[in-house]
Amino acid sequence: GAGVSQSPSNKVTEKGKDVELRCDPISGHTALYWYRQSLGQGLEFLIYFQGNSAPDKSGLPSDRFSAERTGGSVSTLTIQRTQQEDSAVYLCASSPGSGIDQPQHFGDGTRLSIL
Amino acid sequence: QKEVEQNSGPLSVPEGAIASLNCTYSDRVSQSFFWYRQYSGKSPELIMSIYSNGDKEDGRFTAQLNKASQYVSLLIRDSQPSDSATYLCAVNTGTASKLTFGTGTRLQVTL
Repeated sequence: GAGVSQSPSNKVTEKGKDVELRCDPISGHTALYWYRQSLGQGLEFLIYFQGNSAPDKSGLPSDRFSAERTGGSVSTLTIQRTQQEDSAVYLCASSPGSGIDQPQHFGDGTRLSIL
Repeated sequence: QKEVEQNSGPLSVPEGAIASLNCTYSDRVSQSFFWYRQYSGKSPELIMSIYSNGDKEDGRFTAQLNKASQYVSLLIRDSQPSDSATYLCAVNTGTASKLTFGTGTRLQVTL
Protein backbone atom coordinates (compact mmCIF):
# COMPACT_ATOMS: atom_id res chain seq x y z
CA GLY A 1 0.00 0.00 0.00
CA ALA A 2 0.99 3.61 -0.47
CA GLY A 3 0.33 4.84 3.04
CA VAL A 4 1.15 3.97 6.64
CA SER A 5 -0.72 0.84 7.63
CA GLN A 6 -1.77 0.08 11.19
CA SER A 7 -3.44 -2.93 12.69
CA PRO A 8 -5.74 -3.70 14.28
CA SER A 9 -7.98 -0.71 13.61
CA ASN A 10 -9.85 -1.36 16.84
CA LYS A 11 -8.90 -3.30 19.94
CA VAL A 12 -11.03 -3.91 23.00
CA THR A 13 -9.43 -5.71 25.90
CA GLU A 14 -9.77 -6.20 29.60
CA LYS A 15 -7.74 -4.30 32.14
CA GLY A 16 -4.54 -6.13 32.96
CA LYS A 17 -4.12 -7.79 29.57
CA ASP A 18 -1.19 -7.13 27.26
CA VAL A 19 -1.76 -5.67 23.78
CA GLU A 20 0.38 -5.36 20.66
CA LEU A 21 -0.19 -2.73 18.03
CA ARG A 22 1.43 -2.92 14.62
CA CYS A 23 2.65 -0.28 12.19
CA ASP A 24 3.91 -0.73 8.65
CA PRO A 25 5.46 2.54 7.43
CA ILE A 26 5.54 3.94 3.93
CA SER A 27 8.09 2.05 1.87
CA GLY A 28 11.47 3.77 1.97
CA HIS A 29 10.71 5.91 4.99
CA THR A 30 13.50 5.59 7.53
CA ALA A 31 11.87 7.43 10.41
CA LEU A 32 8.92 6.02 12.36
CA TYR A 33 6.98 7.62 15.19
CA TRP A 34 4.30 6.54 17.64
CA TYR A 35 1.83 9.05 19.10
CA ARG A 36 -1.19 8.73 21.34
CA GLN A 37 -4.36 10.79 21.09
CA SER A 38 -6.74 10.70 24.01
CA LEU A 39 -10.29 12.02 23.77
CA GLY A 40 -10.24 15.80 23.48
CA GLN A 41 -6.45 15.91 23.74
CA GLY A 42 -3.68 16.71 21.33
CA LEU A 43 -1.32 14.13 19.99
CA GLU A 44 1.23 12.98 22.54
CA PHE A 45 4.63 11.78 21.33
CA LEU A 46 5.61 8.31 22.55
CA ILE A 47 8.67 7.00 20.72
CA TYR A 48 10.76 7.61 17.60
CA PHE A 49 12.91 5.30 15.48
CA GLN A 50 15.44 6.47 12.90
CA GLY A 51 17.28 3.84 10.90
CA ASN A 52 19.56 1.75 13.07
CA SER A 53 19.97 4.40 15.75
CA ALA A 54 18.82 3.86 19.32
CA PRO A 55 15.18 4.89 19.60
CA ASP A 56 14.09 8.04 21.41
CA LYS A 57 11.85 6.64 24.14
CA SER A 58 11.43 9.92 26.01
CA GLY A 59 7.66 10.04 25.51
CA LEU A 60 6.77 6.59 26.84
CA PRO A 61 4.50 7.21 29.87
CA SER A 62 5.59 4.19 31.91
CA ASP A 63 7.68 1.03 31.77
CA ARG A 64 4.55 -0.86 30.75
CA PHE A 65 5.04 0.62 27.29
CA SER A 66 7.68 -0.65 24.89
CA ALA A 67 8.23 -0.67 21.16
CA GLU A 68 10.51 -2.27 18.68
CA ARG A 69 11.20 -1.94 15.01
CA THR A 70 12.42 -5.00 13.18
CA GLY A 71 14.56 -4.75 10.07
CA GLY A 72 14.11 -1.02 9.92
CA SER A 73 10.52 -1.41 8.75
CA VAL A 74 7.56 -2.76 10.71
CA SER A 75 7.15 -1.61 14.30
CA THR A 76 5.13 -3.00 17.19
CA LEU A 77 4.05 -1.05 20.25
CA THR A 78 3.40 -3.25 23.27
CA ILE A 79 1.44 -2.23 26.34
CA GLN A 80 1.68 -4.61 29.27
CA ARG A 81 -0.86 -4.90 32.07
CA THR A 82 -3.17 -2.40 30.43
CA GLN A 83 -4.97 0.20 32.51
CA GLN A 84 -8.13 2.14 31.71
CA GLU A 85 -6.12 5.33 31.23
CA ASP A 86 -4.37 3.63 28.31
CA SER A 87 -7.59 3.93 26.30
CA ALA A 88 -6.79 6.18 23.35
CA VAL A 89 -6.11 6.19 19.64
CA TYR A 90 -2.54 5.12 18.94
CA LEU A 91 -1.18 6.71 15.79
CA CYS A 92 1.90 5.75 13.85
CA ALA A 93 3.64 8.10 11.44
CA SER A 94 6.60 7.81 9.12
CA SER A 95 8.80 10.26 7.28
CA PRO A 96 11.47 9.92 4.59
CA GLY A 97 14.20 10.98 7.01
CA SER A 98 14.75 12.66 10.32
CA GLY A 99 15.42 16.23 9.22
CA ILE A 100 13.29 19.02 10.57
CA ASP A 101 11.81 19.55 7.14
CA GLN A 102 10.62 15.96 6.80
CA PRO A 103 6.83 15.86 7.01
CA GLN A 104 5.29 13.02 8.97
CA HIS A 105 2.49 11.03 7.40
CA PHE A 106 0.05 9.25 9.66
CA GLY A 107 -1.71 5.92 9.53
CA ASP A 108 -5.39 5.55 10.42
CA GLY A 109 -4.56 4.57 13.98
CA THR A 110 -5.59 1.84 16.40
CA ARG A 111 -8.47 2.71 18.70
CA LEU A 112 -7.71 0.96 21.99
CA SER A 113 -10.42 0.53 24.59
CA ILE A 114 -9.64 -0.93 28.00
CA LEU A 115 -12.66 -2.29 29.86
CA GLN B 1 2.32 26.87 29.98
CA LYS B 2 1.52 24.55 27.09
CA GLU B 3 4.24 24.27 24.48
CA VAL B 4 1.86 24.73 21.55
CA GLU B 5 -1.39 26.59 22.09
CA GLN B 6 -4.46 26.82 19.92
CA ASN B 7 -7.95 28.10 20.54
CA SER B 8 -10.16 25.02 20.70
CA GLY B 9 -13.07 26.74 18.98
CA PRO B 10 -15.36 25.99 17.40
CA LEU B 11 -14.56 28.66 14.87
CA SER B 12 -17.60 29.19 12.72
CA VAL B 13 -17.30 30.89 9.33
CA PRO B 14 -19.80 31.15 6.47
CA GLU B 15 -19.13 29.41 3.19
CA GLY B 16 -16.88 31.49 0.96
CA ALA B 17 -15.32 33.45 3.81
CA ILE B 18 -11.73 33.38 5.02
CA ALA B 19 -11.01 31.20 8.03
CA SER B 20 -8.08 32.27 10.19
CA LEU B 21 -6.55 29.72 12.54
CA ASN B 22 -3.87 30.71 15.01
CA CYS B 23 -1.16 28.95 16.95
CA THR B 24 1.49 30.11 19.40
CA TYR B 25 4.48 28.15 20.62
CA SER B 26 6.79 28.55 23.57
CA ASP B 27 10.13 27.11 22.43
CA ARG B 28 12.15 29.77 20.66
CA VAL B 29 14.40 27.21 18.99
CA SER B 30 11.47 25.71 17.08
CA GLN B 31 12.45 25.37 13.46
CA SER B 32 9.64 23.84 11.47
CA PHE B 33 5.90 24.14 11.63
CA PHE B 34 3.11 22.04 10.22
CA TRP B 35 -0.65 22.25 9.88
CA TYR B 36 -2.64 19.04 9.87
CA ARG B 37 -6.34 18.60 9.17
CA GLN B 38 -8.18 15.91 11.09
CA TYR B 39 -11.72 14.86 10.26
CA SER B 40 -13.69 13.26 13.06
CA GLY B 41 -12.58 9.66 13.56
CA LYS B 42 -9.81 9.97 11.00
CA SER B 43 -6.05 10.38 11.18
CA PRO B 44 -4.27 13.73 10.78
CA GLU B 45 -3.55 14.75 7.20
CA LEU B 46 -0.68 17.12 6.42
CA ILE B 47 -1.84 20.23 4.56
CA MET B 48 0.94 22.79 5.00
CA SER B 49 4.49 23.13 6.23
CA ILE B 50 6.48 26.31 6.78
CA TYR B 51 10.05 26.90 7.89
CA SER B 52 10.84 30.57 7.22
CA ASN B 53 9.29 33.81 8.36
CA GLY B 54 6.61 35.13 6.06
CA ASP B 55 3.82 33.63 4.03
CA LYS B 56 3.58 30.38 2.11
CA GLU B 57 0.66 29.80 -0.20
CA ASP B 58 -0.71 26.53 -1.56
CA GLY B 59 -4.03 26.78 -3.34
CA ARG B 60 -6.65 28.10 -0.93
CA PHE B 61 -4.28 27.70 2.03
CA THR B 62 -1.74 30.23 3.29
CA ALA B 63 0.55 29.59 6.23
CA GLN B 64 2.10 32.56 8.01
CA LEU B 65 5.08 32.39 10.35
CA ASN B 66 6.46 35.02 12.68
CA LYS B 67 9.31 33.57 14.73
CA ALA B 68 9.88 36.80 16.67
CA SER B 69 6.32 36.63 17.98
CA GLN B 70 6.36 32.80 18.13
CA TYR B 71 3.21 32.71 16.12
CA VAL B 72 2.04 30.65 13.16
CA SER B 73 -1.30 30.88 11.43
CA LEU B 74 -3.28 29.20 8.68
CA LEU B 75 -5.65 31.08 6.41
CA ILE B 76 -8.23 29.21 4.37
CA ARG B 77 -9.72 31.28 1.57
CA ASP B 78 -13.13 30.59 0.04
CA SER B 79 -13.99 28.23 2.88
CA GLN B 80 -16.07 25.20 1.93
CA PRO B 81 -18.22 22.92 4.08
CA SER B 82 -15.67 20.17 3.36
CA ASP B 83 -13.10 22.25 5.24
CA SER B 84 -15.03 21.59 8.45
CA ALA B 85 -12.57 19.66 10.58
CA THR B 86 -10.11 20.05 13.44
CA TYR B 87 -6.87 21.76 12.47
CA LEU B 88 -3.78 20.76 14.39
CA CYS B 89 -0.70 22.92 14.67
CA ALA B 90 2.54 20.96 15.10
CA VAL B 91 5.99 22.26 15.91
CA ASN B 92 9.37 20.62 15.53
CA THR B 93 11.90 21.95 17.99
CA GLY B 94 14.73 20.15 16.30
CA THR B 95 15.01 17.56 19.05
CA ALA B 96 14.91 14.14 17.46
CA SER B 97 12.39 15.41 14.94
CA LYS B 98 9.43 14.66 17.18
CA LEU B 99 6.47 16.94 16.75
CA THR B 100 4.70 18.74 19.55
CA PHE B 101 1.02 19.24 18.75
CA GLY B 102 -1.54 21.72 19.89
CA THR B 103 -4.95 20.42 20.90
CA GLY B 104 -6.46 21.69 17.67
CA THR B 105 -9.04 24.21 16.56
CA ARG B 106 -12.38 22.93 15.36
CA LEU B 107 -13.56 24.76 12.25
CA GLN B 108 -17.18 24.79 11.15
CA VAL B 109 -18.03 26.17 7.73
CA THR B 110 -21.70 26.99 7.54
CA LEU B 111 -23.90 27.13 4.46
